[in-house]
Amino acid sequence: NAGVTQTPKFRILKIGQSMTLQCTQDMNHNYMYWYRQDPGMGLKLIYYSVGAGITDKGEVPNGYNVSRSTTEDFPLRLELAAPSQTSVYFCASSGGTSGSPITSTDTQYFGPGTRLTVL
Amino acid sequence: AQSVAQPEDQVNVAEGNPLTVKCTYSVSGNPYLFWYVQYPNRGLQFLLKYITGDNLVKGSYGFEAEFNKSQTSFHLKKPSALVSDSALYFCAVRDREGRRALTFGSGTRLQVQP
Repeated sequence: NAGVTQTPKFRILKIGQSMTLQCTQDMNHNYMYWYRQDPGMGLKLIYYSVGAGITDKGEVPNGYNVSRSTTEDFPLRLELAAPSQTSVYFCASSGGTSGSPITSTDTQYFGPGTRLTVL
Repeated sequence: AQSVAQPEDQVNVAEGNPLTVKCTYSVSGNPYLFWYVQYPNRGLQFLLKYITGDNLVKGSYGFEAEFNKSQTSFHLKKPSALVSDSALYFCAVRDREGRRALTFGSGTRLQVQP
């Protein structure tokens, strides 16, 4: 069982370039999330999705876009990369459906991360 | 808005000694609390969570956490530390409804000396 996978593991971008970070989960989870982790800080939520076709902004969405065409995939798009986007990006997923009470399946599972440097 | 505080950037403990990593939270209503561990160059791994019920929660790798509502704390504990426990530990509180995302503390680095 692969869980949550992310590609690439590492990437260096030049200012102004664009790229897509891939995230796939094989647990049939409805909820998916993108977080970024800056040095010495906790993770901050960029975007999230409560199911295929439904996405919404988190705390730090500027400079990013997402889509959720399938249950499994939740790619994060960086347009016009800036040095402030240098960070480690984590994708996560959890079970449950929108409106249902919290259950034991609601633990979030994280991918291994993508380390992005913008120069 | 909900928040989590981890007051110690680093905790040092000798192998075999008990360890405590502190966490306090601020939420409206009942909290849903989590502990995750991050090893170097790895993603976050779930350790344990408190949803409701017993205030002492047992988790993976011999860790446990004590929920204290009056002190709004959720400290992580282990009776006997191992060198392999050395890692970065994050406390988090989850949204009760809606997006169900996690709000994380800044993390505490645990260093266990042999």
